[in-house]
Amino acid sequence: GESVGLHLPTLSVQEGDNSIINCAYSNSASDYFIWYKQESGKGPQFIIDIRSNMDKRQGQRVTVLLNKTVKHLSLQIAATQPGDSAVYFCAENSGYALNFGKGTSLLVTP
Amino acid sequence: DAGITQSPRHKVTETGTPVTLRCHQTENHRYMYWYRQDPGHGLRLIHYSYGVKDTDKGEVSDGYSVSRSKTEDFLLTLESATSSQTSVYFCAISGYSNTGELFFGEGSRLTVL
Repeated sequence: GESVGLHLPTLSVQEGDNSIINCAYSNSASDYFIWYKQESGKGPQFIIDIRSNMDKRQGQRVTVLLNKTVKHLSLQIAATQPGDSAVYFCAENSGYALNFGKGTSLLVTP
Repeated sequence: DAGITQSPRHKVTETGTPVTLRCHQTENHRYMYWYRQDPGHGLRLIHYSYGVKDTDKGEVSDGYSVSRSKTEDFLLTLESATSSQTSVYFCAISGYSNTGELFFGEGSRLTVL
């Protein structure tokens, strides 16, 4: 069936480097995408979202890129900090809800 | 932080017993959701509600029921808990259906022995 997936289950980056987390989606009808961050023992927290009429959206230190041609979504984190260590989920809208990917664990090393 | 409270936060129970998890919101949001989170599966939708007494099934609804008698409360019930229902359960709320941010609670960890 249609699903949201992630290319890498874990990502290790050095503090200060830029991080890129990728996500593939297969439902071409999806028109809303969102990234969440989940720290250990906590609920997911909103990072940034993007609608299908956009290719790029920027937030504070984060950028989401949407490539509808290849159904690909990415999250870029600039100047990665230790506090960015967490699991990151992408999600796409489906019916009344959001359909989440399995998550990528980001580890920031000193 | 969005006003979402889940209770209990931790529960250990035995196979075959009924369990009810409660989600309470103070944001007056229309949409409420129950997800479960398991290693290797991410977040999977169990049930959702789009208004008082209006609920529908998600992708993993077997073995679960829900009720929403008031805007602020969304209950998830396991009529007869099984070990496969050991998981972390998250409640989420939204004011905009599927095109807006979901606000998540802190989760309820359920262990079924």
